[in-house]
Amino acid sequence: EAQVTQNPRYLITVTGKKLTVTCSQNMNHEYMSWYRQDPGLGLRQIYYSMNVEVTDKGDVPEGYKVSRKEKRNFPLILESPSPNQTSLYFCASSFQGADYEQYFGPGTRLTVT
Amino acid sequence: AQSVAQPEDQVNVAEGNPLTVKCTYSVSGNPYLFWYVQYPNRGLQFLLKYITGDNLVKGSYGFEAEFNKSQTSFHLKKPSALVSDSALYFCAVNDYKLSFGAGTTVTVRA
Repeated sequence: EAQVTQNPRYLITVTGKKLTVTCSQNMNHEYMSWYRQDPGLGLRQIYYSMNVEVTDKGDVPEGYKVSRKEKRNFPLILESPSPNQTSLYFCASSFQGADYEQYFGPGTRLTVT
Repeated sequence: AQSVAQPEDQVNVAEGNPLTVKCTYSVSGNPYLFWYVQYPNRGLQFLLKYITGDNLVKGSYGFEAEFNKSQTSFHLKKPSALVSDSALYFCAVNDYKLSFGAGTTVTVRA
């Protein structure tokens, strides 16, 4: 089954404790991206990757890191989480860029206390 | 300035009635426009997109959207709403990057 998977689905952590949210797709897609969803703000892009080893900042990259060492994986790293990063996070992938249909993962709800 | 706007936070309709969810955009040129739907506790799902050509685009689950260049709008429509259409709907535009609207919560009452 074609899908985007994210882990964990739920995470409660404390300020400053490094964490990684994994994202993996099995559709051989070139493009992957991370979004955060906050009430009243819709989805805002954090980082995106056009291909392996190619990443770029989205609208709200501060406090986040990403890497794209393999085509299928695109982990999101929070080196020192803060409470304002409490949000719902989505990973997405598409065939070849933002012009194409995005396939979204199920989401990761992160709470930073 | 926001590239895409959804002027209504909520839309409430009765089952069987027409459903319209509004979207306007403010990018130049010929952008790609999208609609996505999010059901509770799920990720977003693609409904339809406009690239060029016919101004009426048909998508999944009986939805369609009308592109109007003069009004810079891309409204989502369904002729007869179902209770199962209750969800959060997002409009998105790809100019040089993909931007999402804030979302419209649709409630269809039985």
